[in-house]
Amino acid sequence: KQEVTQIPAALSVPEGENLVLNCSFTDSAIYNLQWFRQDPGKGLTSLLLIQSSQREQTSGRLNASLDKSSGRSTLYIAASQPGDSATYLCAVRPRGAGSYQLTFGKGTKLSVIP
Amino acid sequence: GAVVSQHPSRVICKSGTSVKIECRSLDFQATTMFWYRQFPKQSLMLMATSNEGSKATYEQGVEKDKFLINHASLTLSTLTVTSAHPEDSSFYICSARRATDTQYFGPGTRLTVL
Repeated sequence: KQEVTQIPAALSVPEGENLVLNCSFTDSAIYNLQWFRQDPGKGLTSLLLIQSSQREQTSGRLNASLDKSSGRSTLYIAASQPGDSATYLCAVRPRGAGSYQLTFGKGTKLSVIP
Repeated sequence: GAVVSQHPSRVICKSGTSVKIECRSLDFQATTMFWYRQFPKQSLMLMATSNEGSKATYEQGVEKDKFLINHASLTLSTLTVTSAHPEDSSFYICSARRATDTQYFGPGTRLTVL
């Protein structure tokens, strides 16, 4: 059974710092990995999706990497801003025909201090 | 971008009553819809997968007679929590899958059972 772990559970940084969030998964047979942002009491916003054949994806100040063989992904946020404060979730989709369900980590709660 | 809505956003009910939550894909037809549950400081846990016109597939440990799912059209899925109890209080989130395989998440429904 796939398990997804995110470290740290919470992170507090001053504005302007660069930071890295970590995600690990136990089964490397994945189709893709996705990073989401969740604001308190809200739904999920997709940030980046990395296919299993890719090593990284970039969007603005965000960069996500994937090392499928070691079961790890990182989300790098450059020049953090208070508006980046949220919980960041990573999720993996299994490889296999008709397998669309995602397995989520518990998330990293990020606080960016002005 | 694709939009998924949920209604209601918040609901408070008495123990023993039933509550219906709607999930709609507003601008695309969803081949598959997923229902997740999220307890405080926990990950999203997949409850069930529903395909239009067929019975939902429930994850292990999820009572299908308690959590009734109806996927009557390609744009609407409903989750009914029957005979709700305080332990059913949670944040329920749906997602809808497009033909491109991308999942889009709804804003969530906060259920509180008194």
